[in-house]
Amino acid sequence: QLQLQESGPGLVKPSETLSLACIVSGGPIASNGHYWGWIRQPPGKGLEWIGSIFYNGNTYYYNPSLKSRVSIHADTSQNKFSLKMTSVTAADTAVYYCATTPVTAFGYAWYFDIWGRGTLVTVST
Amino acid sequence: QSALTQPASVSGSPGQSITISCTGTSSDIGAYNYVSWYQQHPGEAPKVIIYGVSNRPSGLSDRFSGSKSGNTASLTISGLQAADEAHYYCISYTTTNSLIVFGGGTKLTVL
Repeated sequence: QLQLQESGPGLVKPSETLSLACIVSGGPIASNGHYWGWIRQPPGKGLEWIGSIFYNGNTYYYNPSLKSRVSIHADTSQNKFSLKMTSVTAADTAVYYCATTPVTAFGYAWYFDIWGRGTLVTVST
Repeated sequence: QSALTQPASVSGSPGQSITISCTGTSSDIGAYNYVSWYQQHPGEAPKVIIYGVSNRPSGLSDRFSGSKSGNTASLTISGLQAADEAHYYCISYTTTNSLIVFGGGTKLTVL
């Protein structure tokens, strides 16, 4: 059973780059069975999808509203994937979850089946 | 403002059934069967309870069911239990630029 665990700094200064990693256990990230992605949730608010990638990086989906500031990469040698978000502001303060999306016969399944526990990132001086 | 509209709160007594609606448009819920529902307890990660409009993950109680009519999806929880008290979110694929749209969430209170 796949398990995901987020890691990274809990505090980032405005205008800097947010960097998080998601450690995958219980199976290889280099799998045709899943996409690997990120979702965030500002404190007390709803969910926002950031993006998802296939392990080889050839196929990816990003939230258009964040695409210009976001990149997601997979590291098959360390069985993890990462999120980088540039030029952060207080509006980027949120709990960041890594999550998987299954691949079906029709491709990306557009739902999130396995989630990490989440990590709170605060953007502040 | 969320792209999908959910009631802010619903409530029910143990043993009863409740339904949570999720209203979108012909560009999202009405377009494809890519509606999913998530349960989130305080301080925990969301957990998928319905995907593809009406499919349950393996091992999930059949007290949870999903359906869709036109541009509105629905989540029904039967035989309410105290453990069902949580926030519930709907998500849908959309043909618009956003790709994925979310509901604002519904707080279920078990009286």
